Amino acid sequence: DAGVIQSPRHEVTEMGQEVTLRCKPISGHDYLFWYRQTMMRGLELLIYFNNNVPIDDSGMPEDRFSAKMPNASFSTLKIQPSEPRDSAVYFCASSWTSGGATDTQYFGPGTRLTVL
Amino acid sequence: GDSVTQMEGPVTLSEEAFLTINCTYTATGYPSLFWYVQYPGEGLQLLLKATKADDKGSNKGFEATYRKETTSFHLEKGSVQVSDSAVYFCALSWGGYSTLTFGKGTMLLVSP
Repeated sequence: DAGVIQSPRHEVTEMGQEVTLRCKPISGHDYLFWYRQTMMRGLELLIYFNNNVPIDDSGMPEDRFSAKMPNASFSTLKIQPSEPRDSAVYFCASSWTSGGATDTQYFGPGTRLTVL
Repeated sequence: GDSVTQMEGPVTLSEEAFLTINCTYTATGYPSLFWYVQYPGEGLQLLLKATKADDKGSNKGFEATYRKETTSFHLEKGSVQVSDSAVYFCALSWGGYSTLTFGKGTMLLVSP
């Protein structure tokens, strides 16, 4: 399997612009997670989906952030409008949970976002 | 709420030294415990895990034992290599929901 795929790997944009980050989870996985990593705040869970349905978006910092999962093989995280404080590395992860048992999360390589 | 506390880094060692990175957790009940590793420029990857008390997880020479009496899951390796230089994250999770609660990470730097 190719693992979790994220695109783009690097994104540089100007304040006020819309940014869309993309993620393709591992085939067959039923959970998808979006994280943000910064030096100051560490690794933060933004939102996660189960079977394409958003379960908990309490980590989304503000209304400028939105996430969708239109099907089992694709998810987007959108920031509109972007601000310099959104600069971070954004990770997507997926996992497969069977019968309520916790399983491993597999992380993508991340998207490094820089907002000027 | 649940939380994970890791020792502050960076941890700086010479090659072949013994490594310990401390991790303690706060949770009601008995979560599953994990160590993830992040190499420079990459995403996190699972290093090892333990799902119940007294379980020992091991991988690539690293090991950690789930100690419920001390609510700890310390990571150890007998002889580190330069290639082990990375950031190590301790995390916990609950059955039924796959969310992970991460510690802040500990950077390990190994010099030749």
